[in-house]
Amino acid sequence: ILNVEQSPQSLHVQEGDSTNFTCSFPSSNFYALHWYRWETAKSPEALFVMTLNGDEKKKGRISATLNTKEGYSYLYIKGSQPEDSATYLCASARDNNAGNMLTFGGGTRLMVKP
Amino acid sequence: DSGVTQTPKHLITATGQRVTLRCSPRSGDLSVYWYQQSLDQGLQFLIQYYNGEERAKGNILERFSAQQFPDLHSELNLSSLELGDSALYFCASSVGPAVTEAFFGQGTRLTVV
Repeated sequence: ILNVEQSPQSLHVQEGDSTNFTCSFPSSNFYALHWYRWETAKSPEALFVMTLNGDEKKKGRISATLNTKEGYSYLYIKGSQPEDSATYLCASARDNNAGNMLTFGGGTRLMVKP
Repeated sequence: DSGVTQTPKHLITATGQRVTLRCSPRSGDLSVYWYQQSLDQGLQFLIQYYNGEERAKGNILERFSAQQFPDLHSELNLSSLELGDSALYFCASSVGPAVTEAFFGQGTRLTVV
């Protein structure tokens, strides 16, 4: 995989549902995997930065896992709330001698209905 | 509030013109990154500066240039503007040269008419 891909593109869930989305990224020269939450009319806000294979991170009802060998990460939201409605972006950082830039996926747009 | 400030928030200009977008990073951050988000496209990395020097370059057009000044603020210059340059331009900053956590500004919405 040369690009960062996210699925699904969009997701509609009911309040209280748990949900998860996938991020696939190049596993070669892996440096870090970022998750961002982006609400409409605001700036993307970092949720997690993960570097180690098998890493699991949690912030409240949101958690993420990382598999660097196969190049994927999952983001889980437990008991979705309307305020969780946002676009969730993942971004891969690949180490290179010239610097370290983030390649973003297209995002998963989550809409939580009350 | 991420601590990253971008100005202006909105900009409308005509084709062929030149504009400058400005970014002040978070206090203490030495790296500045510029991203472009066009309609129906994800965030595209343009360029990174670290402590005044260019560190990494993405798909930045030759008509675009950037620099980082001694006070660490950065400017993105877009010239000979085309309709397709209309986009949301984000600046982000991080502490070091490698991205540990990037803090994004609120973006500049550029409309070329």
